[in-house]
Amino acid sequence: EIVMTQSPATLSVSPGETVTLSCRAGQSVNSNVAWYQQKPGQAPSLLIYGASTRATGIPARFSGSGSGTEFTLTISSLQSEDFAVYYCQQYNNWPPYSFGQGTKLEIK
Amino acid sequence: EVQLVESGGGLVKPGGSLRLSCAASGFTFSNYNINWVRQAPGKGLEWVSSISSSSSYIYYADSVKGRFTISRDNAKNSLSLQMNSLRAEDTAVYYCARDSSSFDYWGQGTLVTVSS
Repeated sequence: EIVMTQSPATLSVSPGETVTLSCRAGQSVNSNVAWYQQKPGQAPSLLIYGASTRATGIPARFSGSGSGTEFTLTISSLQSEDFAVYYCQQYNNWPPYSFGQGTKLEIK
Repeated sequence: EVQLVESGGGLVKPGGSLRLSCAASGFTFSNYNINWVRQAPGKGLEWVSSISSSSSYIYYADSVKGRFTISRDNAKNSLSLQMNSLRAEDTAVYYCARDSSSFDYWGQGTLVTVSS
């Protein structure tokens, strides 16, 4: 099983700032990484797939990068609606699919 | 519009059984693999099971293998998860999610609580 490790667990930032979330895979997963956003009481929703491709309807302030074992999600000019929990997932070697433990983005 | 709607959750005693359903609409259901993913209260996401478009390939997480059974009916655009020998640690919101390599559409989830 490939372990996905996200850092930090919690990030306190102010609206308008730019943040970078990190995700590390226990072994190479090529570019087969997705990022999901989950707001309280809601299902996760797809943000990024293929490490860097935005899903349909996702604003350009969300960007993903990386390959192999190191991945980042950058959110520029944070909006109030961006404060949520973010999960990375690998789909290169499955089963099992594996998710990171999540990074909570909270308002400073 | 793609929609996935789960149902069947509820309160069940340890050792009991429950059957979850996922109704799909807005896309050609028979063309897609579908997954179950769960989330324990206050915790992260855990993949549970996957079924291929024609049911030829089925996979389970080790934590549920031998206790859960995934199935689908393409004629009815529906997915099921039969859960037997339930444990307290199975308490979670269960989501069905469409598989396009990444999980591009998710249902709203159904809560399963295992408690005496």
